[in-house]
Amino acid sequence: GAVVSQHPSWVICKSGTSVKIECRSLDFQATTMFWYRQFPKQSLMLMATSNEGSKATYEQGVEKDKFLINHASLTLSTLTVTSAHPEDSSFYICSAIRTVNYGYTFGSGTRLTVV
Amino acid sequence: KQEVTQIPAALSVPEGENLVLNCSFTDSAIYNLQWFRQDPGKGLTSLLLIQSSQREQTSGRLNASLDKSSGRSTLYIAASQPGDSATYLCAVRPAQGGSEKLVFGKGTKLTVNP
Repeated sequence: GAVVSQHPSWVICKSGTSVKIECRSLDFQATTMFWYRQFPKQSLMLMATSNEGSKATYEQGVEKDKFLINHASLTLSTLTVTSAHPEDSSFYICSAIRTVNYGYTFGSGTRLTVV
Repeated sequence: KQEVTQIPAALSVPEGENLVLNCSFTDSAIYNLQWFRQDPGKGLTSLLLIQSSQREQTSGRLNASLDKSSGRSTLYIAASQPGDSATYLCAVRPAQGGSEKLVFGKGTKLTVNP
């Protein structure tokens, strides 16, 4: 089955530093990857959609300069939270798809805590 | 605009009971519908994927049905176990607009009591 690996599973960083989260499709080539944010006891909120080799498409209200997304290959997308602040603390989840006939596969999520 | 609704928002049942989770969507133009499970502090685990041309899918104790014309799907869980306790999410992939974004329901939080 399709597997998406997300790393790290948790990270604690100081305010003002940057944090990079990786999302890899292990056994398939992902045409598109997605980044979500989830607050406690709330639904997933889509942040951006990324396609290999092109700029990510951000959802309204998501700061693209703060949440940098790089989709360098068909198996790897990264989300960098720049100049992190405590309000960026959240649970970040990535997902990936192949083609329309396949479902979406999600990573295991990254718990970011900014202190 | 596609909207997905899940009822009930929360459900508590005794172990061994069969149960049904409901999902409805407003626009029948979908590629597929997917049921996920999310445990606290974890990512989403795909349970079942139903293509728009299919009526149901089964995996173990799980059975998902799809009635595209009426905009409904159900997830049937047989002989529930405490390990089934989680939030269950329904999501559709719209066929119109060229978007690849999933549209999620808000989920049903299931608690299976020993």
